[in-house]
Amino acid sequence: AQKITQTQPGMFVQEKEAVTLDCTYDTSDPSYGLFWYKQPSSGEMIFLIYQGSYDQQNATEGRYSLNFQKARKSANLVISASQLGDSAMYFCAMREANNNDMRFGAGTRLTVKP
Amino acid sequence: NAGVTQTPKFRILKIGQSMTLQCAQDMNHNYMYWYRQDPGMGLKLIYYSVGAGITDKGEVPNGYNVSRSTTEDFPLRLELAAPSQTSVYFCASSYSPRLAGGRNEQFFGPGTRLTVL
Repeated sequence: AQKITQTQPGMFVQEKEAVTLDCTYDTSDPSYGLFWYKQPSSGEMIFLIYQGSYDQQNATEGRYSLNFQKARKSANLVISASQLGDSAMYFCAMREANNNDMRFGAGTRLTVKP
Repeated sequence: NAGVTQTPKFRILKIGQSMTLQCAQDMNHNYMYWYRQDPGMGLKLIYYSVGAGITDKGEVPNGYNVSRSTTEDFPLRLELAAPSQTSVYFCASSYSPRLAGGRNEQFFGPGTRLTVL
């Protein structure tokens, strides 16, 4: 069964600095996708970035990048130049190729300090 | 495009009552999902559908039912509501992973906050 672990319940970062949010996963399927979502205090879920298990390069989307270490089964989200608006819950999720569902981690609450 | 819409936004139910949470999408996605999010937790999949007429159970299906008669709509039915079903319910939709090259990120509705007393 697929499993997602986010070990950091809460993180603090100074405005304009970079921060890494950890995510590890467990799967026996060689083909899978990894996703990160942001949930601000308003409650909506916002897609940030995707990494496929066969992708050779780490994914990047603006200030977001994914540090994908396949052998360690980790998919950490890196946010560069943090902004106050980055304060939110961040969820890591995975979908296996042979599964139609998506499993989410418990989330990390990021607080950006001015 | 409205994206994914959910109604109602809020609802309070008494124990034993039933209700249907509505979800609709206008992006022609064939995959649709229902999640619940308990306070301070991640999302857990209740049911999903890969197309009209096809539904399947997720991680936490007990106490819920779904139907998918059209591509656009995916209602979630709660029968005999219990306090354990107090949660925020999210509906989401996506393209098939085969059509999207694996990157089938889900688009979420705004959520329904349900309280069972």
